[in-house]
Amino acid sequence: DGGITQSPKYLFRKEGQNVTLSCEQNLNHDAMYWYRQDPGQGLRLIYYSQIVNDFQKGDIAEGYSVSREKKESFPLTVTSAQKNPTAFYLCASSNPGVVQHNEQFFGPGTRLTVL
Amino acid sequence: AQSVTQPDIHITVSEGASLELRCNYSYGATPYLFWYVQSPGQGLQLLLKYFSGDTLVQGIKGFEAEFKRSQSSFNLRKPSVHWSDAAEYFCAITYTNAGKSTFGDGTTLTVKP
Repeated sequence: DGGITQSPKYLFRKEGQNVTLSCEQNLNHDAMYWYRQDPGQGLRLIYYSQIVNDFQKGDIAEGYSVSREKKESFPLTVTSAQKNPTAFYLCASSNPGVVQHNEQFFGPGTRLTVL
Repeated sequence: AQSVTQPDIHITVSEGASLELRCNYSYGATPYLFWYVQSPGQGLQLLLKYFSGDTLVQGIKGFEAEFKRSQSSFNLRKPSVHWSDAAEYFCAITYTNAGKSTFGDGTTLTVKP
C-alpha cells in the first residue's frame, strides 16, 4: 500500500542535543512538507520541498534543518537552537502539479519530548 | 497574506444531531479548499476537497461542504453525527500549484451519547 511513514512515533531528547525525524513516502509525490502542531495552534509549516535537492523555509524554520536528497525521503533535524522543540511533528506529501489531486497526504506523526 | 479562520474552537453535539463546522478564508482569488480530520495522536485524513465546478462537494464518512464565494466560506456539514466522528477538524486552502497550504486552527468535535 502507498503511504507516508514517520519514525519514530515517540522520541525523547535531552536539552542541547540534535535529533532527526524520519519521513518516507512511496506515493511518487514531488512535494513534501514538515509541520509542527501544538495544542490550539493548528499546523504550522516548518519547511517544504517541491523537488529533489531543493527546499524552502516555512513560517517557523528557525532551529530546524532539512534535506531532500531522494524523492521519497525528507528528514527533519531539530537542532539545539530550537528553543521549545516539544511538539507533535507531521510530515506530508502532495502532487501539486495535478490540480485534481492537490491534497496533502499525512504521515502518522512523531511526538518529540525534550527532557 | 492568505488566512483561514475556524471560528469555533470546540463544538459539542448529540449523537444523531446535525453538524456544521465553519470555515472562512481571506484572499482575492478562489483557492483550492480542503477539510481534513485528525483523531488524537494521528495524522490528518482528507474528508473532501473543492477546486472547481459544483460548489457542493461530497466527501467520505457522509460529510459534505459548500463553497460560497460571496461569503468566502467553505462550511462542513453532516446530517447525523456518529460517536466515531469525535475528532479535530481542519480547514485548509491552497492557492497555487505549488501545493503549499494554509491551515485553520482546528475545531474539536465532541459527540454526546
